[in-house]
Amino acid sequence: DTAVSQTPKYLVTQMGNDKSIKCEQNLGHDTMYWYKQDSKKFLKIMFSYNNKELIINETVPNRFSPKSPDKAHLNLHINSLELGDSAVYFCASRRQGGIANEQFFGPGTRLTVL
Amino acid sequence: AQSVTQPDIHITVSEGASLELRCNYSYGATPYLFWYVQSPGQGLQLLLKYFSGDTLVQGIKGFEAEFKRSQSSFNLRKPSVHWSDAAEYFCAVGGTTSGTYKYIFGTGTRLKVLA
Repeated sequence: DTAVSQTPKYLVTQMGNDKSIKCEQNLGHDTMYWYKQDSKKFLKIMFSYNNKELIINETVPNRFSPKSPDKAHLNLHINSLELGDSAVYFCASRRQGGIANEQFFGPGTRLTVL
Repeated sequence: AQSVTQPDIHITVSEGASLELRCNYSYGATPYLFWYVQSPGQGLQLLLKYFSGDTLVQGIKGFEAEFKRSQSSFNLRKPSVHWSDAAEYFCAVGGTTSGTYKYIFGTGTRLKVLA
C-alpha cells in the first residue's frame, strides 16, 4: 500500500493555465506539507496543514492555494501558471505529537510550464 | 533560525569504497536531525534520524551517522558503497520556530558510484 500518494506524476501545461495536484496519505497522520524542489534539487517548504488548519505559509505567491478537505488529503491548486513554477512538488505527512517523528514523502509531481 | 549546510554538491566514489557525506547545522536548541535519500525520479526516503541518546545512529541500507554537538555536525557514513547507493542525499534539521515545527533541508549531495 502506498503511504503518501500524489496525482498526477507528471503535469505539462501552458503558461496562464490553472492546475491542481492532489495528495493523499493513508498513515493516519495529522500534519501534511507541500514542498517545492527546484532544478538545483533545493527543497523548500511551501505550506503545512495540521488537522485541516493552515499552520505554515512560507511567503508563497497567492496564486498557490492549498486545500485540505480532510486530514488525509492536501491538494495544491495553482492559478495563472508561470514558467518559474516549473519544479517537482512533493507532498509529505507526519504524525504530530513526537518532535522526532519523521516526515513521509510522496513520489513527487513534476510540473512543466511551457 | 535553523539552517543546514551540505558543503559537497557532488561526490564520486568507487564501488566498495567508504563514504562520508558532510552535514553541518545551526539551531539554538536540541536539534532533531535527519538524513533522507532521493533516488532518481523518486520521493525522499528516510535513512536515519537523531533526537537524543547514543550519538552514533544506525539506519537502513547499511548507513550510519554520528552527531557531534561540538562541531554542529551530523555526517553520514557507509563503510562500503554499492552501485545502487547512487542518489541525492539530503540532511535536514527539524525544530520549532515561532511555535511551529518544520524541517529545514540542506541543498543536497549528489553521489555518483563508479563501477
